[in-house]
Amino acid sequence: DIQMTQSPSSLSASVGDRVTITCRASQSISYYLNWYQQKPRKAPKLLIYAASSLQSGVPSRFSGSGSGTDFTLTISSLQPEDFATYYCQQSYSTPPYTFGQGTKLEIK
Amino acid sequence: QVQLQESGPGLVKPSETLSLTCTVSGYSISSGYYWGWIRQPPGKGLEWIGSIYHSGSTYYNPSLKSRVTMSVDTSKNQFSLKLTSVTAADTAVYYCAREKGLIGDLRGVFDIWGQGTVVTVSS
Repeated sequence: DIQMTQSPSSLSASVGDRVTITCRASQSISYYLNWYQQKPRKAPKLLIYAASSLQSGVPSRFSGSGSGTDFTLTISSLQPEDFATYYCQQSYSTPPYTFGQGTKLEIK
Repeated sequence: QVQLQESGPGLVKPSETLSLTCTVSGYSISSGYYWGWIRQPPGKGLEWIGSIYHSGSTYYNPSLKSRVTMSVDTSKNQFSLKLTSVTAADTAVYYCAREKGLIGDLRGVFDIWGQGTVVTVSS
């Protein structure tokens, strides 16, 4: 299986900050990398697919980049509603699709 | 718009079979897409269980393959999950979700999710 490792595991930031979360794959996955946001007791929400494509309806302050093994999710200016847990997921090799362990973004 | 809703028992005894159904509204399953199940143990991350096409074609997570069966009922616009021989480790929120597309970089991208259903394995 392809292992996905996110860093950091948790992060404290303030409204208005620029935040970057990193995801590393255990082998090359080209650009088959997706990002999800999950709020407590809610289902995950797709933010970014294919490394850098913004899902319809997602604010443009979210962006993704990377290819191969290293990827980043950037939030350009944190809003109060962005405090959540973020997961990366590879869809290059199936089965199985695999997720990172999550990054919890908290208010400083 | 497309909506998914999970249903099934919230409590299952150890060694028994977990059975869940996902009802799709706003879209006919028989028109296409792969439909998947993902679970999340309490306080932990996400694990993909498997996906099914409207034709019945399936692919499963190898770690669960020996215990998983997925099926589709196009007449009811539903797809289902069965997980046998459950243990406490199978306690989780179970989500059903739609894969965004059929080919290329849209496969394995889950763009529409159900709200999730909690399943506890306990005697």
